[in-house]
Amino acid sequence: GQSLEQPSEVTAVEGAIVQMNCTYQTSGFYGLSWYQQHDGGAPTFLSYNALDGLEETGRFSSFLSRSDSYGYLLLQELQMKDSASYFCAASNQAGTALIFGKGTTLSVSS
Amino acid sequence: DAGVTQSPTHLIKTRGQHVTLRCSPISGHKSVSWYQQVLGQGPQFIFQYYEKEERGRGNFPDRFSARQFPNYSSELNVNALLLGDSALYLCASRFTGTANTEAFFGQGTRLTVV
Repeated sequence: GQSLEQPSEVTAVEGAIVQMNCTYQTSGFYGLSWYQQHDGGAPTFLSYNALDGLEETGRFSSFLSRSDSYGYLLLQELQMKDSASYFCAASNQAGTALIFGKGTTLSVSS
Repeated sequence: DAGVTQSPTHLIKTRGQHVTLRCSPISGHKSVSWYQQVLGQGPQFIFQYYEKEERGRGNFPDRFSARQFPNYSSELNVNALLLGDSALYLCASRFTGTANTEAFFGQGTRLTVV
């Protein structure tokens, strides 16, 4: 089967840096995506890694290591509005669906 | 530009009833996927349609069915509702049919089965 593991909760303070990890077991792996979801809202795309290494988009960076079946999302200069759930997702073998982890809930305090 | 729109936003149904959820993708997007999200979990894949054909199906019972129309909008149908079907149903659209591109999600339909 396919599964992605994420820590359930992370807490941090404003201005800090936080790293949220994701380990995966999937067949036919294409790449790792990250989505943010605020309570009651739609998941929104943050980043996608098809190759090993770091992708940077503003305050967000995402890393992938295919050999370790591991990735992470790094958020810098945390803001209160970053409090949300963060999901890693991998495409299934047929490339038709995203398989999501259970998500990490990030709580940012002042 | 309008994003992905879903209707209705909230719905309350009784066990055993039938429900139809609707999704309009972003203009120009030909792929629509449906996901079920229960509280505290990540979205779980139900169906993907691309160019009006079913391209993928998740591990859901036959009570769940879907279709895509010529204008690329889509319906998700659930028959014989169970209490466990209570969830947020999300629709996602893409320009292409592959899952390694950005998916744009709608706000979802919150279904409560009583």
